Amino acid sequence: EVQLVQSGAEVKKPGESLKISCKGSGYSFTNYWIGWVRQMSGKGLEWMGIIYPGDSDTRYSPSFQGQVTISADKSISTAYLQWSSLKASDTAMYYCVRHKMSAGPYDAFGIWGQGTMVTVSS
Amino acid sequence: EIVLTQSPGTLSLSPGERATLSCRASQSVSSSYLAWYQQKPGQAPRLLIYGASSRATGIPDRFSGSGSGTDFTLTISRLEPEDFAVYYCQQYGSSRRTFGQGTKLEIK
Repeated sequence: EVQLVQSGAEVKKPGESLKISCKGSGYSFTNYWIGWVRQMSGKGLEWMGIIYPGDSDTRYSPSFQGQVTISADKSISTAYLQWSSLKASDTAMYYCVRHKMSAGPYDAFGIWGQGTMVTVSS
Repeated sequence: EIVLTQSPGTLSLSPGERATLSCRASQSVSSSYLAWYQQKPGQAPRLLIYGASSRATGIPDRFSGSGSGTDFTLTISRLEPEDFAVYYCQQYGSSRRTFGQGTKLEIK
């Protein structure tokens, strides 16, 4: 079964760093683009960026460029989303997503992780 | 940035009725790279339609997508109780993928 399993909920203080993870299984991890989508409480979906684990080619939404870092470790089939200095406005649910097809960088999100809730509060 | 505007914001219908959801783009969506997702409370979204009109694996045939250019439609032919949820459209043909704001389909 193809699945993405994300790390658990996090509670952090403003200014702290954080790295959340997403482990892919049931498919060839290096052959599919994998990315992140943010959903703030009661709000819609926002595309943050994607990475191709095969060569680490990474594309960011301009809204998130410089605010987060997307990476992947293909040896353990895991993608990451990290912040160096969290803000209260980073409080949201973060979904890991995988492209439907093992093709180019333009594709729908066929597989979704269960989500990781990040709460940033002093 | 391609802005997607979904209408209506909320749609109130009864089981068995037909639902028509609209997604309008601020500029033409490349190669009909338009998807629809369903999200139920407390769950991750699920892909329903990609390429504007192709159903994803396991999606019932009561769901259908149509449209091209700037106007797209998701139709649910006969609503089942489990179809009441929030629906999002997404374009993935530009360097900045964007989602619509969502349509909430609620039981009348």
